[in-house]
Amino acid sequence: QVQLQESGPGLVKPSQTLSLTCTVSGGSISSGSSFWSWIRQPAGKGLEWIGRIYNGGSTNYNPSLKSRVTISVDTSKNQLSLKLSSVTAADTAVYYCARGAEYSAWGLDYWGQGTLVTVSS
Amino acid sequence: QSVLTQPPSASGTPGQRVTISCSGSSSNIGSNYVYWYQQLPGTAPRLLIYKNNQRPSGVPDRFSGSKSGTSASLAISGLRSEDEADYHCAAWDDSLRGNVFGTGTKVTVL
Repeated sequence: QVQLQESGPGLVKPSQTLSLTCTVSGGSISSGSSFWSWIRQPAGKGLEWIGRIYNGGSTNYNPSLKSRVTISVDTSKNQLSLKLSSVTAADTAVYYCARGAEYSAWGLDYWGQGTLVTVSS
Repeated sequence: QSVLTQPPSASGTPGQRVTISCSGSSSNIGSNYVYWYQQLPGTAPRLLIYKNNQRPSGVPDRFSGSKSGTSASLAISGLRSEDEADYHCAAWDDSLRGNVFGTGTKVTVL
């Protein structure tokens, strides 16, 4: 059973960089039949795709966030990371990591529980 | 800034059939698979439908998906109280080179 767990600071100051980690257990983050995504959800709003990483390092990012986002993996720790720079209050949201799998035609079949990040001074 | 449009709410009584629409364009729904996610209150989303109409193991057959042109639908038959949740559609967008989600629909069981 694959499990994902997000971790990182719950409070980030405006203009700083938000950094989150997603630890994957029960499966390898290096698997060629999977990709790994970050999604966020402001309170009371819909889901927003941030980006994904696959094939060990290829990435796609949401065009509206692309200039500020970096997604990477640490295969030795089986971890996925997200960095979002120059944050503002609009970046306050619950952040999820999720796996896309080949068997489900790249649907996001496993999700972390989510972590709330608040941007405030 | 959601690219896919869903009705904000839908409702029904236990046992009824509820349908949720998801409207997109030729660059997303029109040329790629549609996925549906169920999000119970206070929890992470769960994959409900993939590849337009396929159910992952464990998803009841009361849930069904369909796609036609640039629109898709999720139907819930035999509505149950535990189906009260937010439902999100999603698809890959060739123009944006990224995944897009719908605006989300809150289903209420009356």
